[in-house]
Amino acid sequence: GESVGLHLPTLSVQEGDNSIINCAYSNSASDYFIWYKQESGKGPQFIIDIRSNMDKRQGQRVTVLLNKTVKHLSLQIAATQPGDSAVYFCALTNDYKLSFGAGTTVTVRA
Amino acid sequence: DVKVTQSSRYLVKRTGEKVFLECVQDMDHENMFWYRQDPGLGLRLIYFSYDVKMKEKGDIPEGYSVSREKKERFSLILESASTNQTSMYLCASTRPGQNYEQYFGPGTRLTVT
Repeated sequence: GESVGLHLPTLSVQEGDNSIINCAYSNSASDYFIWYKQESGKGPQFIIDIRSNMDKRQGQRVTVLLNKTVKHLSLQIAATQPGDSAVYFCALTNDYKLSFGAGTTVTVRA
Repeated sequence: DVKVTQSSRYLVKRTGEKVFLECVQDMDHENMFWYRQDPGLGLRLIYFSYDVKMKEKGDIPEGYSVSREKKERFSLILESASTNQTSMYLCASTRPGQNYEQYFGPGTRLTVT
């Protein structure tokens, strides 16, 4: 099956700083690469996606970078806020399915 | 606002019991999915359905079955619950061709004793 790995299981960041969450993958044939956010007690929520023919995409306070050469995906969160505390999952399309990484728990320090 | 609901937030069952987990979506989505979520393993796909009465096995279908009699409802069935099926179960739905943007329910935490 598809392998999706995260570099760090936890990340602690000071409020107001930028956060960077990383993810590595093994399947070069994926069309989409996606980030989900899961807050405590809730299901994962779609944040942003990037197509395989792009290397950068920006949303509201978030930027996703895709480096297909080294098979690396990252999510950058600008000016991290307490509401950004959550588990973040990277995922990629695998035919009609999604393959998820194990998740990085982000904790924002006041 | 889109919504995916799951029948229970918490469920405790005994080994050997038959367990039904229900999921309902109100977005008229064709595709629906069942995942289990375990610490350190992320989300793993159990089964999915792309239409009424259609189902496809995911990555870990053993010990589970599903039912999709109506478009809005997708049920996960544990025929004979075992302790290794203690987990968080998540349901999701999506439009065809947009599997990258899945809408998830809040999850059911199942404990099998």
